[in-house]
Amino acid sequence: AQSVTQPDIHITVSEGASLELRCNYSYGATPYLFWYVQSPGQGLQLLLKYFSGDTLVQGIKGFEAEFKRSQSSFNLRKPSVHWSDAAEYFCAVNTGFQKLVFGTGTRLLVSP
Amino acid sequence: SQTIHQWPATLVQPVGSPLSLECTVEGTSNPNLYWYRQAAGRGLQLLFYSVGIGQISSEVPQNLSASRPQDRQFILSSKKLLLSDSGFYLCAWSARAVNNIQYFGAGTRLSVL
Repeated sequence: AQSVTQPDIHITVSEGASLELRCNYSYGATPYLFWYVQSPGQGLQLLLKYFSGDTLVQGIKGFEAEFKRSQSSFNLRKPSVHWSDAAEYFCAVNTGFQKLVFGTGTRLLVSP
Repeated sequence: SQTIHQWPATLVQPVGSPLSLECTVEGTSNPNLYWYRQAAGRGLQLLFYSVGIGQISSEVPQNLSASRPQDRQFILSSKKLLLSDSGFYLCAWSARAVNNIQYFGAGTRLSVL
């Protein structure tokens, strides 16, 4: 069965420091991969997606992610974190049949 | 542009009472529609999805049901709420494509007391 693992439940990063959120997936075919961000009490906003082609994808708000097939990973990165980036981040994989499977999320805390 | 509306934003209901949450999409036709539940620390659980009017697929057996009476309207219901139904409910839509991007509503916080 398809699955997504986000091993870090919480991460604390100092403002201005770099960020990497980990995501590993289990899927037999070429995956379609997504990162979403959720601010408290809000819906999810798409940050970026990978469908095919260049394995380094750029998203909104200065985020990027790299697809590594050999590691079954799709880690999210940002070179310099801002206090407004504090939120929960979800990785998801499209399983076909027009459905997504989500990871359990990583809560990002930004310290001054 | 497409927009998705979900209401109410918050709801407090007693155990055993009925539930109706509504979701509508504007600016698109024939969308796929989804209901998710988000419990604290557990990510998003897909409850129902629909590829057309009257077509509902249930992902998890439970106390809830869904209906799609119109192309861009998706309703989540329960006849009798349980304490375990508390959570954050999200509606989403996507276009009909294999590599579908899902777009989410703002969510409904349901507290069953």
